[in-house]
Amino acid sequence: AQSVTQLDSHVSVSEGTPVLLRCNYSSSYSPSLFWYVQHPNKGLQLLLKYTSAATLVKGINGFEAEFKKSETSFHLTKPSAHMSDAAEYFCVVIVFGNEKLTFGTGTRLTIIP
Amino acid sequence: DTGVSQDPRHKITKRGQNVTFRCDPISEHNRLYWYRQTLGQGPEFLTYFQNEAQLEKSRLLSDRFSAERPKGSFSTLEIQRTEQGDSAMYLCASSFSGDSSYNEQFFGPGTRLTVL
Repeated sequence: AQSVTQLDSHVSVSEGTPVLLRCNYSSSYSPSLFWYVQHPNKGLQLLLKYTSAATLVKGINGFEAEFKKSETSFHLTKPSAHMSDAAEYFCVVIVFGNEKLTFGTGTRLTIIP
Repeated sequence: DTGVSQDPRHKITKRGQNVTFRCDPISEHNRLYWYRQTLGQGPEFLTYFQNEAQLEKSRLLSDRFSAERPKGSFSTLEIQRTEQGDSAMYLCASSFSGDSSYNEQFFGPGTRLTVL
């Protein structure tokens, strides 16, 4: 079985400052990990994915995440927050051969002007 | 726009009524998924289809729920005798099964169900 834990339900940062959204995973097999973003009244959008290639993964809109097996973590970062980054972010795990995505409970990111 | 579409976007119903939601996947995608998202939680997997075959169902999918994908294109999710606990956002996603170890799932905007 696999699971993800998002360590913060809500993160607030000032515009122009760094963003850190934390995620820890648990998996019996080598996992694939993702971050999805959900803006109000819009569908979930894939930000980035880790599928056992490079451990530092770059995504859209300047986001990146690093897979750390020793820490079972996959934290999402961005050097400089923009107002348009305000949204709900989900860390997601999937195991090869298993079709279902397992989502974390989400982190709501608020950007302070 | 050729993304995943869902209809209706919002549904309000009274307890005990039946409701049906529709999902139209991206046209070349052969896999279709249903998830449910309650307030303050991440989406939870309900079921998925490859073409018209329903290959997996979650234990969350009680016998009041039924999903179909009759021609391997659009899908419907029906809830019979709705209960207040069914109030949630129902999300549909689709993907194309290929050679990669993971096939990205593209999500629709969801159908928000409110059971009074």
